[in-house]
Order: sequence, then structure tokens, then C-alpha cells
Amino acid sequence: DQQVKQNSPSLSVQEGRISILNCDYTNSMFDYFLWYKKYPAEGPTFLISISSIKDKNEDGRFTVFLNKSAKHLSLHIVPSQPGDSAVYFCAARGGNTGKLIFGQGTTLQVKP
Amino acid sequence: EAGVAQSPRYKIIEKRQSVAFWCNPISGHATLYWYQQILGQGPKLLIQFQNNGVVDDSQLPKDRFSAERLKGVDSTLKIQPAKLEDSAVYLCASSRQPSGNTIYFGEGSWLTVV
Repeated sequence: DQQVKQNSPSLSVQEGRISILNCDYTNSMFDYFLWYKKYPAEGPTFLISISSIKDKNEDGRFTVFLNKSAKHLSLHIVPSQPGDSAVYFCAARGGNTGKLIFGQGTTLQVKP
Repeated sequence: EAGVAQSPRYKIIEKRQSVAFWCNPISGHATLYWYQQILGQGPKLLIQFQNNGVVDDSQLPKDRFSAERLKGVDSTLKIQPAKLEDSAVYLCASSRQPSGNTIYFGEGSWLTVV
């Protein structure tokens, strides 16, 4: 039973355009959502997060949108840069233990 | 500030052998996590420590996996005996508190079981 799903294994966009990565979840008790970015042979690094009481959080080129009624969140990267090419994981926090449940990841390729 | 340190980075063993991974979390981080990431999947929590106590080990295959954090700092994850399906990256992570909004990951220990 996958509680956090990223249905697109890969995404390819042109440099300068918008990248939109999507994530769906099933558990309405999740209280925090995070995006992590992972380069090959490295551990995931925190990118941006959003509390379940908000619907948008912005940090520079990165914006996360949360639609609680649809149990859907998305990460927008504008403008996309070749250095953004990586695997992006969506994660949801369940309860007060800090346990994160991850999606399968989406590989983003930004072409020059 | 130093990040989460893990060793070894890479390990190849035969099935039924044993292996141990070591993790040193970020200084001052009381919560330590071990995640397993199989190729093509997202990381899955194996065990979570708060200081030297176990908070969550519900997904740890206890017949072959064990972990300890004796002094509330470093941690060791052991697999004995290893199976082919244990081939994965083992990620150690830490956070300042259990409900921390961000968890910091190490670079991972890559295990191949042949």
C-alpha cells in the first residue's frame, strides 16, 4: 500500500522553461510535506517543504503547491536550469515521530 | 557544520554473509534514522532512534537486521545473513528533534549482495 505516489518516473524540460513535478498521497493525517533532491551517488538533500495548513510555499525558483481536497502536491521550478537535473522525491510526515514516507521519485532532466 | 557521515560507501558481499554499516549523525541531533532505498524506489524507514532508544522499528526485518545506538551518538546497522533482495543503498539520517521538519541524510552505503 503506497501512501505517497509519484506517478511520473521521468520528466524532460528545456532550460528556462517550467518544470512541474507531481505527487499524490492517500493519508489525510499527514501534517507536513517535503521535497528532496538527489544527485547520483549522493544522499537526498532537503529542497522545500509545506505545512498541511498552507497551500503554497515559495523559495526562490522553487514553489510547492498543496491541494488538500485532491490530496495532491506539486513542485514548480521556474526557470529550470541544467543543474536541476536530479531525482526528486516527495515525502510526507506522518504523526509526531518525524517519520517520512517517500514517493518513488521522479527523474528530472533539464536540457540546455 | 559537518554532515552525516557513513561508512563504508560501497560493499559487495555474497549471500548469507554479514555486513555492518556505521553512521555518525550531525552533532547535537538526537534523532537518527536508517532508511533503505532499493533502486527505483523511494527511501523506506527501517528504524528510528531518539537518543539511544528505539522509536520505530516496525519495518525492520528483525530476523536478519539489527541496529544499535549505544551511547546516543553513533549507530551501527547490521545484516546477517544477507539475501539478494537486501541489495540497496542504506541511508542514515538525523534531525534535531523527532518532529523536525527537515531530516539530513548522509551519502549512503551501497550494498550489493551476489
